[in-house]
This record gives sequence, structure tokens and C-alpha cells, in this order.
Amino acid sequence: DTEVTQTPKHLVMGMTNKKSLKCEQHMGHRAMYWYKQKAKKPPELMFVYSYEKLSINESVPSRFSPECPNSSLLNLHLHALQPEDSALYLCASSQDHQSRVPVSYEQYFGPGTRLTVT
Amino acid sequence: ELKVEQNPLFLSMQEGKNYTIYCNYSTTSDRLYWYRQDPGKSLESLFVLLSNGAVKQEGRLMASLDTKARLSTLHITAAVHDLSATYFCAVGIQGAQKLVFGQGTRLTINP
Repeated sequence: DTEVTQTPKHLVMGMTNKKSLKCEQHMGHRAMYWYKQKAKKPPELMFVYSYEKLSINESVPSRFSPECPNSSLLNLHLHALQPEDSALYLCASSQDHQSRVPVSYEQYFGPGTRLTVT
Repeated sequence: ELKVEQNPLFLSMQEGKNYTIYCNYSTTSDRLYWYRQDPGKSLESLFVLLSNGAVKQEGRLMASLDTKARLSTLHITAAVHDLSATYFCAVGIQGAQKLVFGQGTRLTINP
């Protein structure tokens, strides 16, 4: 299984709502990522989890709160978002970064959640 | 700060022609990735290049890496319409935990 799944596919939320994005992989990967992609722009890294611990936070506003409950699941909790947060949110996974064996760390991306904040 | 620059950013070409997309990056890295993205879709991994002089080919696409020049190329041979997409290169840093993407090259192949 080389698939990363994300739910929901589309999400429309108001600025006062609380919602969560979910990501799941069953490739045995121990590194998981959240990216944000605006239209016609490259993906921008938001968070990296390695062995269920947050290893990189790219100075993301606190209205985005990541969570990694286990090695297969990654959540992104959303609260009090702004219209400019509307974007495609991509989850990815890769082999862990602590491997002693040289690996490619190729990231496999999920289909994304298209978020619209009204 | 690492900068990754692709050129061209837009490329319109005819079927059957050859062309090359260039990816320059500003700091040392031995991990270079190429991705394809169709409109409204996610990223599909095309190539992983891990060492100087690496060359990989899949169908009409061939990618290469020159770590000394900090340059990767994606060469398209005898383009077909199905290759129309946006192509991103990405450089791995911080133990490959972090990918820094180029701006993307929007490729349109006309019949």
C-alpha cells in the first residue's frame, strides 16, 4: 500500500468554526508532514513529525494545531481561521530521518483537502 | 536561506518537440526531487536524485543532477499532450526533513 489518504476532500468553514483535517498512511513511514499550497504556488512546509514528535514548525500561526496520535495518523486542528488561510492542504509521509541506512526520504503526498474559509 | 529557482516558469510547446526545464539551488544538498502536479490534484513523485551525476529516465522524461553546479534538469523528449502539467523540483535539507520547492514550471503541450 503506497497510498496516503486525507479527509475531507473539501471543507468550507466560517471564521469562528473549529474543524480538523485527517491524514492516514499504512506504509510504515515514521515521518509525516503538513503543507499548505495556494493556487499557482509551490507547496509550503508547515509541520514535520518524526516518530510522532513534532520536529519542525515553520512558524505557523497557532490557529493551526497539529497532532500525531500514532505513527499512521496525522491531524491538523483548525480554529479561528482567516479567509487568507483558504488553500489546498497536503499531507505527506516518508521513511524516518533517523535511519542508519541511506534512504531517499521520498515524500508521498495525499490527495489534499481543499479548504475555503468564509 | 535556500533558494530554489526553476526556469522557465511557463513553457508552451508542440507535440514531438524536445525541451529542458532547469532547477538551480543556492546551497549544498545531495537530495533533489521532481514532482508533477495536474490542475486541482496532488503531487506525484517522478524522480529522486541522490548523488552527483545521477541520471534517471522514465518514458519521455529524464532527470539529472549536478551537485557541484547545484543544477538539476528535467528533459522532455518528443513531448505528448499527456505531459501537460506543472512540474516542481524540490531540494531536501535538514537531513531531508525539509523540502524547499521551486516555483514550478507550467508546461502546456499543444497538438
